[in-house]
Amino acid sequence: GAVVSQHPSWVICKSGTSVKIECRSLDFQATTMFWYRQFPKQSLMLMATSNEGSKATYEQGVEKDKFLINHASLTLSTLTVTSAHPEDSSFYICSARVGPFNEQFFGPGTRLTVL
Amino acid sequence: SQKIEQNSEALNIQEGKTATLTCNYTNYSPAYLQWYRQDPGRGPVFLLLIRENEKEKRKERLKVTFDTTLKQSLFHITASQPADSATYLCALDRGGGSGNTGKLIFGQGTTLQVKP
Repeated sequence: GAVVSQHPSWVICKSGTSVKIECRSLDFQATTMFWYRQFPKQSLMLMATSNEGSKATYEQGVEKDKFLINHASLTLSTLTVTSAHPEDSSFYICSARVGPFNEQFFGPGTRLTVL
Repeated sequence: SQKIEQNSEALNIQEGKTATLTCNYTNYSPAYLQWYRQDPGRGPVFLLLIRENEKEKRKERLKVTFDTTLKQSLFHITASQPADSATYLCALDRGGGSGNTGKLIFGQGTTLQVKP
């Protein structure tokens, strides 16, 4: 099946710093990728849709200036959490859809801890 | 608003038995429904997709049913093994009957524990 990777797998940072998370499709091209966030004991919540060559679209309640998304190539999307605060601590997961019926392949996730 | 509900209580079964997980949805007419497996600290892994005109779908020991009248999907694992222990998520495309946005809404997941 299609493989999606993420880097880093975990990161700890100080409050106020910015963190960049990379999402790569390894064996296919993805014009669209998705970014989700998952808090402990909760399900995945869609944050934004990343479109290659155009602006990302954000879900209601997600601050676009705080969560910067760049999809500069068909195999790479990045999520930058700017001026991170402890409440941004979460598990961030990207995905890309493959096939006509939207089977989605997810990355392994990035655990962000903001101190 | 659109809502997906899965049994939040953990399901504990004995090895070799069939596990049955339930996914109910409201305010929604999906074109298809997906099931994923998620292990702790990992991203979800796609298992099965079933379309609205399919009553049942199978893949090895997995079986999914889809009842659009009841607005319910059942996910079965036959001959369960301890390695099947994980959280299972159902997901629907936000686009509903029109398809195909790729924007998934997930249920909260049901944790399955298979005891040897």
